[in-house]
Amino acid sequence: ETGVTQSPTHLIKTRGQQVTLRCSSQSGHNTVSWYQQALGQGPQFIFQYYREEENGRGNFPPRFSGLQFPNYSSELNVNALELDDSALYLCASSSQGNTEAFFGQGTRLTVV
Amino acid sequence: AQSVTQLDSQVPVFEEAPVELRCNYSSSVSVYLFWYVQYPNQGLQLLLKYLSGSTLVKGINGFEAEFNKSQTSFHLRKPSVHISDTAEYFCAVTGPGGYNKLIFGAGTRLAVHP
Repeated sequence: ETGVTQSPTHLIKTRGQQVTLRCSSQSGHNTVSWYQQALGQGPQFIFQYYREEENGRGNFPPRFSGLQFPNYSSELNVNALELDDSALYLCASSSQGNTEAFFGQGTRLTVV
Repeated sequence: AQSVTQLDSQVPVFEEAPVELRCNYSSSVSVYLFWYVQYPNQGLQLLLKYLSGSTLVKGINGFEAEFNKSQTSFHLRKPSVHISDTAEYFCAVTGPGGYNKLIFGAGTRLAVHP
């Protein structure tokens, strides 16, 4: 069991709305990365947080933003939702310098 | 820039047969390579990883992979598959220091039939 938990598991939003997804990282992990997995595709790296600071970003627009809290849990916020934002959002935690990332089960977001 | 190509979108195979899932990567720097498995409605689980050293890497559930630098490949193999191996398999790459900033391939759907 990985120990990474994400909430909610499923979510339906309307185009133009805003959404917040949450991730609790595994105990002892100080690094969190978020990935977007569209249907039938591999996960795409959105951004990473290390010690509450953004530490790298993929090719996603600024309406995708995040936070990391002192307990290393994290949020992904998406503003002005578009239909193409419908996907499985995965959170992965790791220790800085450790090569293994542990993934949560994901949040399935549907934008209608 | 780094990229990963998984050469087969679907691989059907009979139970107890051997299987190979192919992965090629592109990178201008040295890389670390990973294979992850995703069961339906679940997150990703690490099968194995190559960081350095021996090019033959053994992972969980009887899987192994071989790193071939000259062919920029990292193919995943299992000598005898089970029904329970039916899942989506993803090859991923990251550069040194880029842990948990993974670049994934599009995935290969392994379907094991009785």
